[in-house]
Amino acid sequence: KQEVTQIPAALSVPEGENLVLNCSFTDSAIYNLQWFRQDPGKGLTSLLLIQSSQREQTSGRLNASLDKSSGRSTLYIAASQPGDSATYLCAVRGSSGDKLTFGTGTRLAVRP
Amino acid sequence: SAVISQKPSRDICQRGTSLTIQCQVDSQVTMMFWYRQQPGQSLTLIATANQGSEATYESGFVIDKFPISRPNLTFSTLTVSNMSPEDSSIYLCSAWDRGETQYFGPGTRLLVL
Repeated sequence: KQEVTQIPAALSVPEGENLVLNCSFTDSAIYNLQWFRQDPGKGLTSLLLIQSSQREQTSGRLNASLDKSSGRSTLYIAASQPGDSATYLCAVRGSSGDKLTFGTGTRLAVRP
Repeated sequence: SAVISQKPSRDICQRGTSLTIQCQVDSQVTMMFWYRQQPGQSLTLIATANQGSEATYESGFVIDKFPISRPNLTFSTLTVSNMSPEDSSIYLCSAWDRGETQYFGPGTRLLVL
């Protein structure tokens, strides 16, 4: 059974810092990996999708990497802003390609 | 991309009653899912809603408690039956076409008194 863990559980940084969020998964046979953002009381917004054959994806100030063999992904946020404050969730889709398994989330606060 | 809407956005219900949540996708999608997010927790998959057939439930979730319908490729409903305070959660509808990004609705916030 796939298990997904995110470290740290919570993070508080001053505005402008570059930061890294970590995601690890136990079964490396994955179809793809997706990073989401969730604002309090809201649904999920997809940030980046990495297919199993890819090593990284970039969107604006966000960069996500994938190392399947070690069961790890990182989300890099450059020049953080208060508007980046949210919970960030990593989710892995198994090799059968059917359902996502979610991580525990990292709650990020960016201080002005 | 797919845009997903859910109704209601929130509700307060009495224990023992049932609530049906509707999910509408703005385009035809292969797969639709229902998730639950309990307070302070991550998302847990309840079931995969199959078009024209019975839903596929995850361990710990049963059809009598969470009946699901999916009459076509853009619409699904989840009913939370015989509710108790432990059912207080956010319920999220999700849609996916193979190989692409999975999208989520805004969620339905349920409080059971």
